[in-house]
Amino acid sequence: DTAVSQTPKYLVTQMGNDKSIKCEQNLGHDTMYWYKQDSKKFLKIMFSYNNKELIINETVPNRFSPKSPDKAHLNLHINSLELGDSAVYFCASSENPRLSNEQFFGPGTRLTVL
Amino acid sequence: EDKVVQSPLSLVVHEGDTVTLNCSYEVTNFRSLLWYKQEKKAPTFLFMLTSSGIEKKSGRLSSILDKKELFSILNITATQTGDSAVYLCAVGWMDSSYKLIFGSGTRLLVRP
Repeated sequence: DTAVSQTPKYLVTQMGNDKSIKCEQNLGHDTMYWYKQDSKKFLKIMFSYNNKELIINETVPNRFSPKSPDKAHLNLHINSLELGDSAVYFCASSENPRLSNEQFFGPGTRLTVL
Repeated sequence: EDKVVQSPLSLVVHEGDTVTLNCSYEVTNFRSLLWYKQEKKAPTFLFMLTSSGIEKKSGRLSSILDKKELFSILNITATQTGDSAVYLCAVGWMDSSYKLIFGSGTRLLVRP
């Protein structure tokens, strides 16, 4: 069984379009995250949600809007896509960080903006 | 500014060699240090370290943390081609919220 899943795995789109990436975890975790990995493999946190509540928003353009309909899902919607948004986006989840710091990552979504 | 620095950036060795990967950090609100292995897809968890001087070991891999000097090392003995990957070091930062701050990774290539 997949612990953290993301769809789609690949996304190729034109500049200016709006797109969404979905993430689901079946681990019963309270906390979910979105990370962006650039071409140099540098992973950087974007957002963190705990029980559907936004707790971290790391200087991300407001074209990026996360939405958590329930604690097992954290989706990422991106408006007016730009070339610089091309990257691999990883979703992750963890138990309450006060109990465990380990994060489990999804397979990633490779976004290419043309 | 909080930062995590890994060295070397890349490394090429032959099967059977031993490698040491380095991770130094300057992070306020340090909670833990984690090592991940990333092949083609998702980073997979290797170790989490919270206490200085206690070695964690899993097969040919081991890691240790020095909280006084603010660094950690990851050792891989008797390397195999399957060890080829990017190794990521991350520091767990916790205040009222929690996040991982990643280094840029060390790309390891093990040649037969």
